[in-house]
Amino acid sequence: QITLKESGPTLVKPTQTLTLTCTFSGFSLSTSGVGVGWIRQPPGKALEWLALIYWDDDKRYSPSLKSRLTITKDTSKNQVVLTMTNMDPVDTATYYCAHRRVIAAAFNYWGQGTLVTVSS
Amino acid sequence: SYVLTQPPSVSVAPGQTARITCGGNNIGSKSVHWYQQKPGQAPVLVVYDDSDRPSGIPERFSGSNSGNTATLTISRVEAGDEADYYCQVWDSSSDHEVFGTGTKVTVL
Repeated sequence: QITLKESGPTLVKPTQTLTLTCTFSGFSLSTSGVGVGWIRQPPGKALEWLALIYWDDDKRYSPSLKSRLTITKDTSKNQVVLTMTNMDPVDTATYYCAHRRVIAAAFNYWGQGTLVTVSS
Repeated sequence: SYVLTQPPSVSVAPGQTARITCGGNNIGSKSVHWYQQKPGQAPVLVVYDDSDRPSGIPERFSGSNSGNTATLTISRVEAGDEADYYCQVWDSSSDHEVFGTGTKVTVL
């Protein structure tokens, strides 16, 4: 049974750096093809893909946010970490992590999401 | 960058058929995935690779994809199908993921 859970601060101040952790179980991020992605959703708005990391440490970033994002993995801890620098109130959103089996496949398992509010 | 366009809303009476479109340049050449999201919940995959259903998803949910439009069809709509629906593709030319603008399905 695959599960993912996001954790991190619920409130950050403008200009601060956000660090979110996705802790998962039921699969290994060392298995060929497997990836974990981050997707966010501002209140009342659409889903927005942020970043992806694959089993071989290959990484992909949203072009519009690439300069602010870093994604890493710790296979031994079954964790994926996303950092986003220079947070702004427009970054207020629910942040999800999700599993994919192979490249181009659907995100078939999602975490419950964590709401991050950016405010002074 | 690749853009996926969905109608903001679709309304349907119970028992009828809802069709949600997802428009993109030559989307027929890509694999399209569809997610259902109910208020306060994480998205749930309902159709993948254009027309396949994950286990546990009712046969009432089906998908098709051709040309510049992919379509999610919900047959015999039930009240519990009321939700937001998003399409998604992997754009091979940029190696990036793209989500559609989302469609709110209202059951009358």
